[in-house]
Amino acid sequence: GAGVSQSPRYKVAKRGQDVALRCDPISGHVSLFWYQQALGQGPEFLTYFQNEAQLDKSGLPSDRFFAERPEGSVSTLKIQRTQQEDSAVYLCASSDLGPGNTEAFFGQGTRLTVV
Amino acid sequence: DQQVKQNSPSLSVQEGRISILNCDYTNSMFDYFLWYKKYPAEGPTFLISISSIKDKNEDGRFTVFLNKSAKHLSLHIVPSQPGDSAVYFCAASAPSYSGGGADGLTFGKGTHLIIQP
Repeated sequence: GAGVSQSPRYKVAKRGQDVALRCDPISGHVSLFWYQQALGQGPEFLTYFQNEAQLDKSGLPSDRFFAERPEGSVSTLKIQRTQQEDSAVYLCASSDLGPGNTEAFFGQGTRLTVV
Repeated sequence: DQQVKQNSPSLSVQEGRISILNCDYTNSMFDYFLWYKKYPAEGPTFLISISSIKDKNEDGRFTVFLNKSAKHLSLHIVPSQPGDSAVYFCAASAPSYSGGGADGLTFGKGTHLIIQP
């Protein structure tokens, strides 16, 4: 596809359930980011991949959050034992690895609601 | 502690007039700044960016101004159109530790721009 694709668009999980969110970045984009956007807030950085290497996971809020990108393209964000405070929109973004900063292209996000 | 601040949660502007959205930052390591536009139920879309070596960047109706000494940037939209109604996020990044490319962005909370007919 032409853009970043995320699935599912919406997910309702019962508290304690595990969830997996998928991101298909733009083909050829080396960099991939996950962000969490709570209601009324801006996106907050979770983690960053360069190809399959997870170079920064400093934004992951707890060890219940885990992200992977095993082949350097599709990425999965997994949340174990979901809690109500995990309810948010999870955004994935990808970008070229250029000589300087380049803009990241965002997917539509996955809205997670934990009940 | 918010490193990127957008102090106006909302802004209402008449169609055809200028919209000015403001953003302040505290981290002096930030060297690249971006504006994203977001419609409901969609992801943010890139609008315009500016490097810290410049003080102005223009793209059609959109101009971003950067005042490094004041740690302030602004987005000007002239003339404002109904389709500009959206939430605008200011974002910033520091030099890449990986030697190139984009690192994670730090976003403000956004300003909801409403263009009135």
